[in-house]
Amino acid sequence: GAVVSQHPSWVICKSGTSVKIECRSLDFQATTMFWYRQFPKQSLMLMATSNEGSKATYEQGVEKDKFLINHASLTLSTLTVTSAHPEDSSFYICSARAVLAGTQYFGPGTRLTVL
Amino acid sequence: QQQVKQSPQSLIVQKGGISIINCAYENTAFDYFPWYQQFPGKGPALLIAIRPDVSEKKEGRFTISFNKSAKQFSLHIMDSQPGDSATYFCAAFGGSARQLTFGSGTQLTVLP
Repeated sequence: GAVVSQHPSWVICKSGTSVKIECRSLDFQATTMFWYRQFPKQSLMLMATSNEGSKATYEQGVEKDKFLINHASLTLSTLTVTSAHPEDSSFYICSARAVLAGTQYFGPGTRLTVL
Repeated sequence: QQQVKQSPQSLIVQKGGISIINCAYENTAFDYFPWYQQFPGKGPALLIAIRPDVSEKKEGRFTISFNKSAKQFSLHIMDSQPGDSATYFCAAFGGSARQLTFGSGTQLTVLP
């Protein structure tokens, strides 16, 4: 099956710093990538949808200036959490949809802990 | 209109038993219904999916049953194994938003 990678798999940072998370589709091209946030024992919450070469579409309640998303190519999207605070600590998961199919594949997730 | 309701929230099954997880949707524009399996600390993995023109799809021990008129679909795990212990999410795709809508998840525990 299609593979989506994320880096880093976990990160610990101090409050006020910025953290960048990379998401790559390894063996397929993805015109659309998604970023989700998941709290313990809860479902995935969509944060934003990004299409290659265009601005991301953010879900209601998600601060676009805090969660910067860049979808520079058909295989790479990045999420930057700017000026992170403890309440941003969560499990962030990216997902990619292949160009020629509707199936959506998920990355392994990134555990962010803000001290 | 975009909701997908999933039940039960948690499920405990003996090894070798059948695990059944149910989902119901409202939006008739949904046209793709995947199930994802998620282990702790990992991302969701696509398990099996179905489209509304099919009433049942089977892959190994996993079967999706789909009832279009009732707007319901379910996942059946036959001969459940301890390694199946995970959280399962149903989802639906389609409608105007063209993005996955997830159920709330079911935490399955298969006892040895």
